[in-house]
Amino acid sequence: DTGVSQNPRHKITKRGQNVTFRCDPISEHNRLYWYRQTLGQGPEFLTYFQNEAQLEKSRLLSDRFSAERPKGSFSTLEIQRTEQGDSAMYLCASSPQGGDQPQHFGDGTRLSIL
Amino acid sequence: TQLLEQSPQFLSIQEGENLTVYCNSSSVFSSLQWYRQEPGEGPVLLVTVVTGGEVKKLKRLTFQFGDARKDSSLHITAAQPGDTGLYLCAGSHAGGTSYGKLTFGQGTILTVHP
Repeated sequence: DTGVSQNPRHKITKRGQNVTFRCDPISEHNRLYWYRQTLGQGPEFLTYFQNEAQLEKSRLLSDRFSAERPKGSFSTLEIQRTEQGDSAMYLCASSPQGGDQPQHFGDGTRLSIL
Repeated sequence: TQLLEQSPQFLSIQEGENLTVYCNSSSVFSSLQWYRQEPGEGPVLLVTVVTGGEVKKLKRLTFQFGDARKDSSLHITAAQPGDTGLYLCAGSHAGGTSYGKLTFGQGTILTVHP
């Protein structure tokens, strides 16, 4: 399967701990997006990479959140000092560059904060 | 803030019935994408519409993009239990600084009873 891959699929942690999620996009896609989805809502944009450059960050992304894509391939999203409100599904999507290219999503990482 | 209003939020129908989901905005989008999402999985792309007035058909699903590219609809004919899921519309801007990030509607939870 050459789709978008996310790990882990589920993460349960205590409040205050740090967590890191990984996204492996479709190999030829140079655009990578992170979204957050809470129960009963549509996904909300968090941040965007074109190759290794992080070009846009949402106001939703507080200082406790950091994302990287060091070699323009896989990306990581880290949340420091997790809070109850961070509980959500974190989705990664990738697309080719240029115009209105459709985004292909991974199956997400479900984060639960105890 | 560009918002997409999706309606209805919930739809519960019997097998064989027809239904329409609406997606409306005050903003113009360069394209609009429809996704279907099942519990615990990421959104799966159904269609992308880019031209005002465009109509696309995917078996029993018909998608329409409004002439002004501010609204869209999804019509399902003779719904089946396998159509059950969360349907999401998402608007995209190809130009400027948005780099194709998606603005999602709240989603429509469709349940088709046998």
